[in-house]
Amino acid sequence: GESVGLHLPTLSVQEGDNSIINCAYSNSASDYFIWYKQESGKGPQFIIDIRSNMDKRQGQRVTVLLNKTVKHLSLQIAATQPGDSAVYFCAETQGGGFKTIFGAGTRLFVKA
Amino acid sequence: DAGITQSPRHKVTETGTPVTLRCHQTENHRYMYWYRQDPGHGLRLIHYSYGVKDTDKGEVSDGYSVSRSKTEDFLLTLESATSSQTSVYFCAISENGLSYEQYFGPGTRLTVT
Repeated sequence: GESVGLHLPTLSVQEGDNSIINCAYSNSASDYFIWYKQESGKGPQFIIDIRSNMDKRQGQRVTVLLNKTVKHLSLQIAATQPGDSAVYFCAETQGGGFKTIFGAGTRLFVKA
Repeated sequence: DAGITQSPRHKVTETGTPVTLRCHQTENHRYMYWYRQDPGHGLRLIHYSYGVKDTDKGEVSDGYSVSRSKTEDFLLTLESATSSQTSVYFCAISENGLSYEQYFGPGTRLTVT
């Protein structure tokens, strides 16, 4: 079946270190892959997306890597800060329509 | 939260009662969505709207109905609330039909006792 999942439910990193959050997907037909950040008590916030025909995309302090061979998506956060503490969701759009499937989320803890 | 408000923010209701949640946007975006968020399930789409009076079902639409009489408002109704509908509900909007460009509201925590 089609699913989006995460390798680790919790990730703890030291402030200033780089963070890597991983995600596996199963539908090769997905058009876009997206990362959202959700802080406690708030709605998800769009971080970055990557089109299925790309391997890498960079934003401000974030990089998303897409490995279609092994159906793997990762979010790299450079110089992690306390404000990066949140739950991170990967998601994929399928069928080019209005359907986004979200993973269960990974909680990132940043230690000072 | 990109000009999106949800009301109420918290609600406790009894099983069998009707409940309506409201989503209001000031962005004039055409597409609006209702999701529920439960531990271990991430976000799941309930219903979405692609214009005034134009709505369609999502992944978990059973027990929910929606209405959109104005561009800015999207209502989610639980006709007869059940305990399984205890959840956090998020409204989202997007300017076009590519749902990856969604912006979410602050959420409504609903408890059905």
